[in-house]
Amino acid sequence: SQKIEQNSEALNIQEGKTATLTCNYTNYSPAYLQWYRQDPGRGPVFLLLIRENEKEKRKERLKVTFDTTLKQSLFHITASQPADSATYLCALGQDTDKLIFGTGTRLQVFP
Amino acid sequence: EPEVTQTPSHQVTQMGQEVILRCVPISNHLYFYWYRQILGQKVEFLVSFYNNEISEKSEIFDDQFSVERPDGSNFTLKIRSTKLEDSAMYFCASRGAGAYGSNQPQHFGDGTRLSIL
Repeated sequence: SQKIEQNSEALNIQEGKTATLTCNYTNYSPAYLQWYRQDPGRGPVFLLLIRENEKEKRKERLKVTFDTTLKQSLFHITASQPADSATYLCALGQDTDKLIFGTGTRLQVFP
Repeated sequence: EPEVTQTPSHQVTQMGQEVILRCVPISNHLYFYWYRQILGQKVEFLVSFYNNEISEKSEIFDDQFSVERPDGSNFTLKIRSTKLEDSAMYFCASRGAGAYGSNQPQHFGDGTRLSIL
């Protein structure tokens, strides 16, 4: 069955370091992948979208990679700040419009 | 920046009652969605809607659920006879024009927390 896994439930890093979050999928061939940020009690906020024919996308301190051979996406936040603390969700889309979400990784950036 | 707005933010309903959740998508968007998130679990797709029709629905979206775009701005989700297991956060999302997989991401509202007693 289709499965999307995001790395460890919680990731704790020190301010200024680079946070790297992973999203692995099996039995699935996504056409695109989106990363969202979710704060407690709030809706997902769109961050980046990457398509299957793209290797990397950047936006300010954010970078996402997409490796369809490894079936993996990596999401990087450079120069992390306490304000980056949140849950980060990956979501895969195929030839339909629905998004399949992973369970999320909770990132905690401490001073 | 335009945003998706949802009302109410919290709805408490007795089991068996009907409930309508309301959403105002971003104004120039054409594709609309409902997702739900049970506490502590992942976000799950319910239904997509385009051109006044359901495009796709999940197994969760059974006969008790319906969606409607009653006017040019609102998009509603109705649950006819609520069950305890319907308790969840319900998110509305919308996106602009573009083929599937285009650079048009889905934008989410902050949700309605539905509590069934």
